[in-house]
Amino acid sequence: QIQLMQSETEVKKPGASVKVSCKATGYTFTSYDITWVRQAPGQGPEWMGGMNVNRGNTNYAQKLQGRVTMTADTSTNTAYMELRNLRSDDTAVYYCTRDPGAATFDIWGHGTMVTVSS
Amino acid sequence: QSALTQPASVSGSPGQSITISCTGTSTDVGGYNYVSWYQQHPGRAPKLMISEVSNRPSGVSHRFSGSKSGNTASLTISGLQAEDEADYYCSSYTSSISVVFGGGTKLTVL
Repeated sequence: QIQLMQSETEVKKPGASVKVSCKATGYTFTSYDITWVRQAPGQGPEWMGGMNVNRGNTNYAQKLQGRVTMTADTSTNTAYMELRNLRSDDTAVYYCTRDPGAATFDIWGHGTMVTVSS
Repeated sequence: QSALTQPASVSGSPGQSITISCTGTSTDVGGYNYVSWYQQHPGRAPKLMISEVSNRPSGVSHRFSGSKSGNTASLTISGLQAEDEADYYCSSYTSSISVVFGGGTKLTVL
């Protein structure tokens, strides 16, 4: 069964960093990109950026440039998203998704709630 | 990149058909056939329902269909069922080499 298993809920203070993990099972990890999408409470999804797992190149949303890093460990089939210098408006559910191309996200993780609060 | 425009809510009775619109610009919806639609039930992750304007993934009901005209894409659900009650989001590839989502439409089955 194709699944993306994400790390658990995080609570962080403003200015801190968070690193969310996403372990892929049931498919060839290096054959698909991984895209990260976040969703603030009561809001629509927001594209954060994506990574070609095979080549390692990334494409980040302009508003997150300089604060976000996406990586992948092909030995453990796990993708990571690190967001630094957290602010209160970074409070959201963070999803990893499998991206087969054509701006399509066909498999979603269960989401990781990240709360930023002092 | 501004969010795509969707109606905040639509409703219909069981068995009826409804259509949700998704309006963008020539730099996103109108410029590419890379429009997707997602269904999201409360507390759950979004689920892909339509890709590349009108492609239905395996396992998605034939009651769901997508189309596009100019800068506006549409999702039609025929034969409404209670289980279709959810939030629906469109998304599109953009000329900025990014993806933009719509603000979402809450579907109520009366």
